Amino acid sequence: AQKITQTQPGMFVQEKEAVTLDCTYDTSDPSYGLFWYKQPSSGEMIFLIYQGSYDQQNATEGRYSLNFQKARKSANLVISASQLGDSAMYFCAMREGTSGTYKYIFGTGTRLKVLA
Amino acid sequence: GAGVSQSPRYKVAKRGQDVALRCDPISGHVSLFWYQQALGQGPEFLTYFQNEAQLDKSGLPSDRFFAERPEGSVSTLKIQRTQQEDSAVYLCASSLEGAANTGELFFGEGSRLTVL
Repeated sequence: AQKITQTQPGMFVQEKEAVTLDCTYDTSDPSYGLFWYKQPSSGEMIFLIYQGSYDQQNATEGRYSLNFQKARKSANLVISASQLGDSAMYFCAMREGTSGTYKYIFGTGTRLKVLA
Repeated sequence: GAGVSQSPRYKVAKRGQDVALRCDPISGHVSLFWYQQALGQGPEFLTYFQNEAQLDKSGLPSDRFFAERPEGSVSTLKIQRTQQEDSAVYLCASSLEGAANTGELFFGEGSRLTVL
């Protein structure tokens, strides 16, 4: 079974608009971390935002926010005020386990295209 | 530089050749991961080191794949008798350990392997 599911292979958004990229996850581990990474066409993976399973508040980093709904096991990425440079692949990832037994699992990604 | 460094960036191998991919993680990073990323897909976990100990190699697709990190810093991923299905980008990532940090992965630029 997929542990990280990203159901949107591709998304379009108009410049300056907000966009939500979906991510659901599956784990029985009570302690886990959720991450979003951006991968531009150049190939490097860029860390965007992190949410811990015990965090009470949704994470925010500048224009990025993570809509964490624990009961639904979803961790959607919201990008506000989209810019042309936001066009890239976006990957949701989950780290399971406590210190010493890390394993990071990635979703299949969503390709975002920002339109001028 | 201060980031994760991978070499070679590009490798073309004839089917049946052995290849070795090198990863130089961020100094002081205890954890090191290897991922395989096929075109248009998310990174797939291969193996994980904590210092020199290989704690998880469950993602290595066959016994042709071997990874080592003998001194707890530089790591080498070796693929013996390469096959066409081994063509992919091989990503190396490193991370700090400890409960005080998010466990963010820092990625290298990847080594793109093409097997003819």
